[in-house]
Amino acid sequence: EVQLVQSGAEVKKPGESLKISCKGSGYSFTSYWIGWVRQMPGKGLEWMGIIYPGDSDTRYSPSFQGQVTISADKSISTAYLQWSSLKASDTAMYYCVRRACSGGSCRSKGFDPWGQGTLVTVSS
Amino acid sequence: QSALTQPASVSGSPGQSITISCTGTSSDVGGYNYVSWYQQHPGKAPKLMIYDVSNRPSGVSNRFSGSKSGNTASLTISGLQAEDEADYYCSSYTSSSTLEVFGGGTKLTVL
Repeated sequence: EVQLVQSGAEVKKPGESLKISCKGSGYSFTSYWIGWVRQMPGKGLEWMGIIYPGDSDTRYSPSFQGQVTISADKSISTAYLQWSSLKASDTAMYYCVRRACSGGSCRSKGFDPWGQGTLVTVSS
Repeated sequence: QSALTQPASVSGSPGQSITISCTGTSSDVGGYNYVSWYQQHPGKAPKLMIYDVSNRPSGVSNRFSGSKSGNTASLTISGLQAEDEADYYCSSYTSSSTLEVFGGGTKLTVL
């Protein structure tokens, strides 16, 4: 079974750093793009960016460029989303997603599966 | 990169059909047949319902269908059921460096 399992909920203070994870299993991790999606409380889905673990090609939405870092460790089939200095406005659910077609030139088939989500709460 | 435009809400009665639109540009929806639709129930992760404009993943009811005309994609749900009440999001591949863009979401209410 293809699965993405995310790390657990986090409670942090403004200014702190954070790295959350997304472990893929049941498929060739290096062959599929992995993306990150933010959902603020009561709001819609926002595209943050995506990485191709095969060659670490990484793209960011302009809204998130410079605000977060997306990375991947092929050796443990895990993608990461990290912040160097959290703000209260980073409070949200974060989902990792896998593009459903394989290969670096893959554009289609949508995102499936989705991770279960990681709730990040930033509060003083 | 602007989000794709969806109506904030739609509603319908059980058994009826509804359509949700998703409007983009020639750089995303209009330029590629790579539009997807996701269903999200409260407190749950989104679920892929339609990919590549009109294709259903295995296990998705054939009451869900997708189409596209120009820069606007549409999701149609026929034979509305109470369990269809959820938020629906479209997304599309985009030629911009970000590679993907999402819609703002539409809340479906089954009356």
